[in-house]
Amino acid sequence: AQKVTQAQTEISVVEKEDVTLDCVYETRDTTYYLFWYKQPPSGELVFLIRRNSFDEQNEISGRYSWNFQKSTSSFNFTITASQVVDSAVYFCALISLNSGYSTLTFGKGTMLLVSP
Amino acid sequence: DAGVIQSPRHEVTEMGQEVTLRCKLISGHNSLFWYRQTMMRGLELLIYFNNNVPIDDSGMPEDRFSAKMPNASFSTLKIQPSEPRDSAVYFCASSSAPPGTAKNIQYFGAGTRLSVL
Repeated sequence: AQKVTQAQTEISVVEKEDVTLDCVYETRDTTYYLFWYKQPPSGELVFLIRRNSFDEQNEISGRYSWNFQKSTSSFNFTITASQVVDSAVYFCALISLNSGYSTLTFGKGTMLLVSP
Repeated sequence: DAGVIQSPRHEVTEMGQEVTLRCKLISGHNSLFWYRQTMMRGLELLIYFNNNVPIDDSGMPEDRFSAKMPNASFSTLKIQPSEPRDSAVYFCASSSAPPGTAKNIQYFGAGTRLSVL
C-alpha cells in the first residue's frame, strides 16, 4: 500500500518569506518515484518535479528546491522569497514500481497563500 | 506543443441527465488517466488506459460511469444518469509511458468542473 501525508493543510506567508511544504510518504517498495504538482486558483494541475528513490540529491530550480530524505521518508518542497503568484495548492504524489502497475497516490494538498 | 485538452471546462446539469466529458491527449502519449477531485476525497484515479485499452477501472464508482478511447488521441467519460454526488472536478492526464515504468510523468488537463443539481 502507498500513502502520502501532507500534514499542513494551509500555510499563509507574506511575500519574500521562505516557506517549506512538508511531504511524508509510505511505501513497501524499494523503487519508487515522488512528484510535486501545483494547482493554482485557475484549477489546472501543473507538474513541477519528479525524483526517483535512488537519487537523494537535493534539487534546485530557481526559487524552488526539493529535499529528499529516505531516512525520514520525506520529500519536502521549499520556495525561497515567495511571491504572490506562488499562491496555489501543492500536491505531493508517489508511485511505486516494484509492484508492477501502481496508481499515482496523491496527498491531500497544502494550500499556500502568499500575501503582498 | 499543446497540452492535454479537456472540454467543457464547466458543466451544469440536472440530476438524471447524461453528462459526457472529453479529453484530448498530448500528441505521442499513449497512456490516459481519468481522475476525480473532491474536497472530501481529494484526487482519485477513476480509470487508466494504455494504448486505447482499459487497464484498470477499479476506481470507477458505479456502473453509471463509463469511459472510452475511440482512438489513440481522444477519450470520453460518461455519467448516465448523473447524480448530485457526482459533482466534482474531473481531470484527464496523459503520459508517454505506463505508470509502472521509469518514464511515466502524468500531465494534466485543466479539468472539467461538474455540478449536478
